Amino acid sequence: DSGVTQTPKHLITATGQRVTLRCSPRSGDLSVYWYQQSLDQGLQFLIQYYNGEERAKGNILERFSAQQFPDLHSELNLSSLELGDSALYFCASSPDRDSNTEAFFGQGTRLTVV
Amino acid sequence: GNSVTQMEGPVTLSEEAFLTINCTYTATGYPSLFWYVQYPGEGLQLLLKATKADDKGSNKGFEATYRKETTSFHLEKGSVQVSDSAVYFCALPMTGRRALTFGSGTRLQVQP
Repeated sequence: DSGVTQTPKHLITATGQRVTLRCSPRSGDLSVYWYQQSLDQGLQFLIQYYNGEERAKGNILERFSAQQFPDLHSELNLSSLELGDSALYFCASSPDRDSNTEAFFGQGTRLTVV
Repeated sequence: GNSVTQMEGPVTLSEEAFLTINCTYTATGYPSLFWYVQYPGEGLQLLLKATKADDKGSNKGFEATYRKETTSFHLEKGSVQVSDSAVYFCALPMTGRRALTFGSGTRLQVQP
């Protein structure tokens, strides 16, 4: 158990809809990262928050957004969903602002868009 | 920017065989290097890491040495088990150290 909790584990929704994925980082970790894992794109970095502030953006679509709340949990919002958004979405956390140390991953949310 | 390239899979081995999964990197400076493992249905977990050149990371019988001369961090294990069947990812921090960037992953299947 990494200490990172993601909910829900599975999500099935229709095209055009909006969903919210939730992540609770390890106790004490200030950084939260979101990654998308798909068969054709591999593991893609989406966005990082550190202590409530956005720190870095990766390959995140404009239809996607995220935030980190004062209690450090984070949510990833995906809107106007398309079939190609079907993937595993991972949250990871680490204590540091920089990524030169280990990141701890949750078990992921599997999103299926039909 | 920083990037990693790892060998394509899948790799299929018999139990007790020797394993090598190649990983080469491009980086500014000398960032930490990581190997993560993903077992079926689970998230990624750190397998081992090395923080500077010539460091050897090791865990659960796996080893990898940070070689700056060849910009490599190959993963090795002397005798694989069926329980080692998983996907292995090489990783390093992105330029600016804002997040880890991962290789494409190598699927290992170990047959009894």
